[in-house]
Amino acid sequence: GGIITQTPKFLIGQEGQKLTLKCQQNFNHDTMYWYRQDSGKGLRLIYYSITENDLQKGDLSEGYDASREKKSSFSLTVTSAQKNEMAVFLCASSRSNQDTQYFGPGTRLLVL
Amino acid sequence: GEKVEQHESTLSVREGDSAVINCTYTDTASSYFPWYKQEAGKSLHFVIDIRSNVDRKQSQRLIVLLDKKAKRFSLHITATQPEDSAIYFCAASGDYGSSGNKLIFGIGTLLSVKP
Repeated sequence: GGIITQTPKFLIGQEGQKLTLKCQQNFNHDTMYWYRQDSGKGLRLIYYSITENDLQKGDLSEGYDASREKKSSFSLTVTSAQKNEMAVFLCASSRSNQDTQYFGPGTRLLVL
Repeated sequence: GEKVEQHESTLSVREGDSAVINCTYTDTASSYFPWYKQEAGKSLHFVIDIRSNVDRKQSQRLIVLLDKKAKRFSLHITATQPEDSAIYFCAASGDYGSSGNKLIFGIGTLLSVKP
């Protein structure tokens, strides 16, 4: 077994601020993902990384940057937080790009 | 691009009855269909999946059916228990090769199992 950890659990930011979310996994999985969950809209893919040093844009990449620093970690940056933004950011990983994705506990973002 | 529609936004059943959640997809190339469960305040937990080489898969009280012709798949939960109460998400993914397993999610179905 393994675990995915996301930090921080809660993030409160100011409009225009640059915010970074971190994800670590000890499954030794190759592929990692960042999703955004909004109420009533399901999950939408922001960025994913098939292997270390790889980066691919998802459907919602505008306004975000990502970095796969090493195999076990994948970070997401909100480049300029939008006022009144509220969402949950979920990190996931899978053994390969064709296998089951497992999700972390999430980071809850609120922008004042 | 692929769209996944989840037909029931809420579903209420009595404990012991069966619950059925239906999803449809648009991309005929989709070949992988996982289901996830999200309990209140928690993250997504993988429950079961099906690939396009089969039309039925069962894991204990969970059954997934896939109708490729109709581009429809469904999750059947038999003998429901109160702990089955949660939001269930369906998802679909095409065979994207080196591009990775890009899942498109439905908006979720809130299942309530009443004692």
